[in-house]
Amino acid sequence: DSGVTQTPKHLITATGQRVTLRCSPRSGDLSVYWYQQSLDQGLQFLIQYYNGEERAKGNILERFSAQQFPDLHSELNLSSLELGDSALYFCASSKRGGANTDTQYFGPGTRLTVL
Amino acid sequence: EDQVTQSPEALRLQEGESSSLNCSYTVSGLRGLFWYRQDPGKGPEFLFTLYSAGEEKEKERLKATLTKKESFLHITAPKPEDSATYLCAGGSYGGSQGNLIFGKGTKLSVKP
Repeated sequence: DSGVTQTPKHLITATGQRVTLRCSPRSGDLSVYWYQQSLDQGLQFLIQYYNGEERAKGNILERFSAQQFPDLHSELNLSSLELGDSALYFCASSKRGGANTDTQYFGPGTRLTVL
Repeated sequence: EDQVTQSPEALRLQEGESSSLNCSYTVSGLRGLFWYRQDPGKGPEFLFTLYSAGEEKEKERLKATLTKKESFLHITAPKPEDSATYLCAGGSYGGSQGNLIFGKGTKLSVKP
């Protein structure tokens, strides 16, 4: 158990809908990262928040947005969903803001299925 | 473009048969090299971080090493419970790909 929690574990929805994924980091960690993992693409970095502020952006679509709240939990919002958005979404956390040097601990993931 | 390439894509070993997994990287200004283990449908589990060429780290049957161009994960006398996908990631200075770039992994199967 990494100490990172994610809800829900599974989400099934229809095209065009909007969903929210939630992540609570490990106690004491200030950074939260979101990743998408699909079968053919591997783990793709989406976005990082550090202490409430956006720190880095990866290949995140405009239909996707995220935020980190004062209690440091984070939400990833996915809207106008398409079939291709079906994937595993992981949240990770680290103590500081250095994504390239700090060890990131991953949550169990949310499996999103878009029908 | 920063890139992390893992080989082989899949590896089948007999229990007790030692081998190595390779991770080669072209990451400008590599800051850290990370190894994770991932079981199907689960989140990646942290194994090692390496920061400089020549560094080595060990944990049970696993040993990770780092050179200026690649990293190796050596598995000594593997057991069936070592079966998983092993992911390597390079930490770069950033850019459009983000700060941690993952390879596609090596799927290891260890048969009893």
